[in-house]
Amino acid sequence: QVHLVQSGAEVKKPGASVKVSCKASGYTFANHFIHWVRQAPGQGLEWMGIFNPGGGAATYAQKFQGRISMTGDTSTSTVYMELSSLTSDDTAVYFCARDYLNSWNNFDNWGQGTLVTVSS
Amino acid sequence: QSVLTQPPSVSAAPGQKVTISCSGSSSNIEANYVSWYQQFAGTAPKLLIYDDDKRPSGIPDRFSGSKSGTSATLGITGLQTGDEAVYYCGTWDSGLSGGVFGGGTKLTVL
Repeated sequence: QVHLVQSGAEVKKPGASVKVSCKASGYTFANHFIHWVRQAPGQGLEWMGIFNPGGGAATYAQKFQGRISMTGDTSTSTVYMELSSLTSDDTAVYFCARDYLNSWNNFDNWGQGTLVTVSS
Repeated sequence: QSVLTQPPSVSAAPGQKVTISCSGSSSNIEANYVSWYQQFAGTAPKLLIYDDDKRPSGIPDRFSGSKSGTSATLGITGLQTGDEAVYYCGTWDSGLSGGVFGGGTKLTVL
């Protein structure tokens, strides 16, 4: 059974960075892309980027270019998303999601979400 | 302001049918497959439809998807109170080279 388990909630000060992890199990880690999607309080879904665990490459949404990094560790089947220069606008729940078809069209399994709160 | 446009809310009675629209452009919906997600408060989204009109295993055939040009539609028949949730459409935008979602539609089953 596929599981994506994310790290716990974080509280950060403006200007700081946060690193959220997403540990995968129940499938071949390298075979499926992982996306990161965030959701601000009371708002909709916002796509942040995609990571290819097989090759290590990442593509980021234009909005986050320059302050986001996605990496992976094949030995632990874990993907990481680091966001820097945090502001209050970055307060949100961050989700990782598996892309079953690697087509940006089939997010079939999601992590439970990680709440990141940015506050002074 | 979302790239894809959805109505903020829809409602219908139990047992009835409802449709949720998702309007985009030639660089997103018209050019790429659309997926639909259901989200209950405080939980992660759940995949309902992918490749415009395909249902993952375990999703009842009460849920259907369609697409025409720059618009996509999610249909739900035999509405149940348990269907009350927020529904999102999503696709890839070739112009932005990024993923985009609609703003979400809250379904109320009266």
